[in-house]
Amino acid sequence: NAGVTQTPKFRVLKTGQSMTLLCAQDMNHEYMYWYRQDPGMGLRLIHYSVGEGTTAKGEVPDGYNVSRLKKQNFLLGLESAAPSQTSVYFCASTTPGLAPFKPDTQYFGPGTRLTVL
Amino acid sequence: GQNIDQPTEMTATEGAIVQINCTYQTSGFNGLFWYQQHAGEAPTFLSYNVLDGLEEKGRFSSFLSRSKGYSYLLLKELQMKDSASYLCAVRVVPLSGGYNKLIFGAGTRLAVHP
Repeated sequence: NAGVTQTPKFRVLKTGQSMTLLCAQDMNHEYMYWYRQDPGMGLRLIHYSVGEGTTAKGEVPDGYNVSRLKKQNFLLGLESAAPSQTSVYFCASTTPGLAPFKPDTQYFGPGTRLTVL
Repeated sequence: GQNIDQPTEMTATEGAIVQINCTYQTSGFNGLFWYQQHAGEAPTFLSYNVLDGLEEKGRFSSFLSRSKGYSYLLLKELQMKDSASYLCAVRVVPLSGGYNKLIFGAGTRLAVHP
């Protein structure tokens, strides 16, 4: 099992360029998440999905779009990158299980380091 | 609003015990997680509490008091490999309905010295 994988690992963009980050999981998890992590701040939820074909906004969705066409994949798009989107992006997945009495542990991918110049 | 506070940095000596505190003010509390994150790596799950009390897993223990909005992570017999960031995260259920989400604290960077 590869777990959660993310592509690419690193990327440098110029302001105004677009790109798509790919997240894939092979654990048959229902829920998938995109977070960003900035120095001095916690992981912040951008968008999430509770099943194939569904998406919902998190805390900081502006400037991002997502799609979940297949259960195992969750794509994060930046239509017109801005320097404020320089960050480390983490994807995570879980299955709701028996929460709250059992932890619905989120499994994280290795992250994508994005720099927008 | 939702707020989670942790100390920014802590230092400790190899072989010692360290306690990392987390206080939270959230609505719809539905469980608390601790994650470990080594520099440049992904967070990994350490511990979970949903009821008051202590949960022990080897060298790591986590405590929760829901009435006080307080949790701590206790690390015993510290090793150099325990140098990492420790993230406190609260699962919240939106009062208006919807799905559970995790709200993360900024993390505590622990440095273990020989």
